[in-house]
Amino acid sequence: AQSVTQPDIHITVSEGASLELRCNYSYGATPYLFWYVQSPGQGLQLLLKYFSGDTLVQGIKGFEAEFKRSQSSFNLRKPSVHWSDAAEYFCAVEGQKLVFGQGTRLTINP
Amino acid sequence: NAGVTQTPKFQVLKTGQSMTLQCAQDMNHEYMSWYRQDPGMGLRLIHYSVGAGITDQGEVPNGYNVSRSTTEDFPLRLLSAAPSQTSVYFCASSKDRGYGYTFGSGTRLTVV
Repeated sequence: AQSVTQPDIHITVSEGASLELRCNYSYGATPYLFWYVQSPGQGLQLLLKYFSGDTLVQGIKGFEAEFKRSQSSFNLRKPSVHWSDAAEYFCAVEGQKLVFGQGTRLTINP
Repeated sequence: NAGVTQTPKFQVLKTGQSMTLQCAQDMNHEYMSWYRQDPGMGLRLIHYSVGAGITDQGEVPNGYNVSRSTTEDFPLRLLSAAPSQTSVYFCASSKDRGYGYTFGSGTRLTVV
């Protein structure tokens, strides 16, 4: 069965600092992997996705993620965060169905 | 605007009542799913469909029914509402595996 683990429930970083959100997945074959972002009171927006090819994928809003098959990880990164990046971030894996992790809430200190 | 439309946005039910949450998409997407979101638990899959006439259970299907008679619509029925079904419900659709899902704006349901 497919599953996703996001080890960090809540992360706080200072504006302008770098960010890395962790994601580990479990799936028997090569998965489709996604990161979504949810602003307060809103639906989910797709940040980026990976299936094959270059293991470093670029997304919207300056985010990128790196797929590491040996570690079953798909961590999300951003070199310099902005106050508007404060939101909840979800990693997801798609086999026959799309399954989400529990999410990481990001707080930005001014 | 094209996208996923969910109605209603807010609903309060009494325990034991039934209701249908509506979901419609105008992007001709084959894949549709229903999720519930509860604090600290992320999004949990209730039911999903890979095309008209085809549905399957997700992680938390008990107490919910779905049908997919057309490509556009994927309603979620609560048979006999319980307080444990108080949640925010999201419908989502995708063209195919790997394309990424488009989400609706959600329905906030309270069961008293």
